[in-house]
Amino acid sequence: DIQMTQSPASLSASPEEIVTITCQASQDIGNWLAWYQQKPGKSPQLLIYSATSLADGIPSRFSGSRSGTQYSLKISRLQVEDTGIYYCLQRYSNPWTFGGGTKLELK
Amino acid sequence: QVNLQESGPGIVKPSQPLSVTCSVTGYSITTSYYYWNWIRKFPGNKLEWMGYISYDGSIYYNPSLKSRISITRDTSKNQFFLQLNTVTTEDTAVYYCARHIYYYVMDAWGQGASVTVSS
Repeated sequence: DIQMTQSPASLSASPEEIVTITCQASQDIGNWLAWYQQKPGKSPQLLIYSATSLADGIPSRFSGSRSGTQYSLKISRLQVEDTGIYYCLQRYSNPWTFGGGTKLELK
Repeated sequence: QVNLQESGPGIVKPSQPLSVTCSVTGYSITTSYYYWNWIRKFPGNKLEWMGYISYDGSIYYNPSLKSRISITRDTSKNQFFLQLNTVTTEDTAVYYCARHIYYYVMDAWGQGASVTVSS
């Protein structure tokens, strides 16, 4: 299985700050990487697909990038509603695997 | 607009089978190129993709579960089902159903069904 190592595990930041979450894949997965946000009591919501493409209805302050086998999610101008857990997902090969999650808290 | 809704037992005894149903409205589960997935979230927030059943009935299971998992469907009711056999407390999780289209990722999820394995 492809391992997705996500960091940090938790993060605390203030509104309007910029934060970056990363996922390191254990092998080449191309652009087959997605990011999800899960708010408390809700199901995961797709933010980014194909490593850099913004999903429908997602604010442009969310962005994804790739450098080799490292993938990053950047959230600019943090808002209070960005609180939640963020996950990466690789769908390059079966079984699909998620990163361990990053819990984002707003100060 | 697609809507997915899980329904499950809430609590299951160890060694018993766990069954969860996903009822889909607004979209046929036989629509070409759509796949219907099961994912679970453990206490502690880890997510595990369990497998899928496709529009044409083909199935893929996560090898970590292969001996215990079964995914089936009832196209007349537009539902698909998860059965996990011989459960232990390690199977306590929130079980989600979700869809994806070929070459894409899960873009629609149910609200989740919490299942606790306990005697």
